[in-house]
Amino acid sequence: QQQVKQSPQSLIVQKGGISIINCAYENTAFDYFPWYQQFPGKGPALLIAIRPDVSEKKEGRFTISFNKSAKQFSLHIMDSQPGDSATYFCAGYNTNAGKSTFGDGTTLTVKP
Amino acid sequence: EAQVTQNPRYLITVTGKKLTVTCSQNMNHEYMSWYRQDPGLGLRQIYYSMNVEVTDKGDVPEGYKVSRKEKRNFPLILESPSPNQTSLYFCASSLWGREETQYFGPGTRLLVL
Repeated sequence: QQQVKQSPQSLIVQKGGISIINCAYENTAFDYFPWYQQFPGKGPALLIAIRPDVSEKKEGRFTISFNKSAKQFSLHIMDSQPGDSATYFCAGYNTNAGKSTFGDGTTLTVKP
Repeated sequence: EAQVTQNPRYLITVTGKKLTVTCSQNMNHEYMSWYRQDPGLGLRQIYYSMNVEVTDKGDVPEGYKVSRKEKRNFPLILESPSPNQTSLYFCASSLWGREETQYFGPGTRLLVL
């Protein structure tokens, strides 16, 4: 059972544009929602994360929007740059149980 | 430098030949976890450990074993590897309850013939 659905699978954005990646989850026990950035040949790196008691979190050009009632959250990358080209994963964590479930990933390409 | 190390980074083996992938962290993290990454499937959790001598199954534990005898080390053991375990494996660690401290290792690419 797919517990975290991520879309789109791939995304092409012009430099300076806004990249938006969406995730939907099913497990209401999730209490931590991170986004990871992964470059080819590297491990995922934590980019930004949110807990369900807030609806939005912003760190520089990266923003997470969280809708608890809809069980959806999204990553917005403002002023996208070619260096942002990478694969992005969302995840849901049940931190008390130690369990995590990842989305399938989105390959972002930012064209110069 | 804070880091999670994995060894080996690349491994080609044959069906049935026992192997161990090591994972070590230098941050005194309580929580450690193993994932496998397959194309189009994201990362799937294999096993995790909340502290020394405490381990539990993730979503895809079949065919794998782990141990946590020391806080810094969390080896992944494939006692009888099969071709469907060909994958990219990542180890991760964090402070317990402080998920924002999480680090991933560089990955181990395994090919089982």
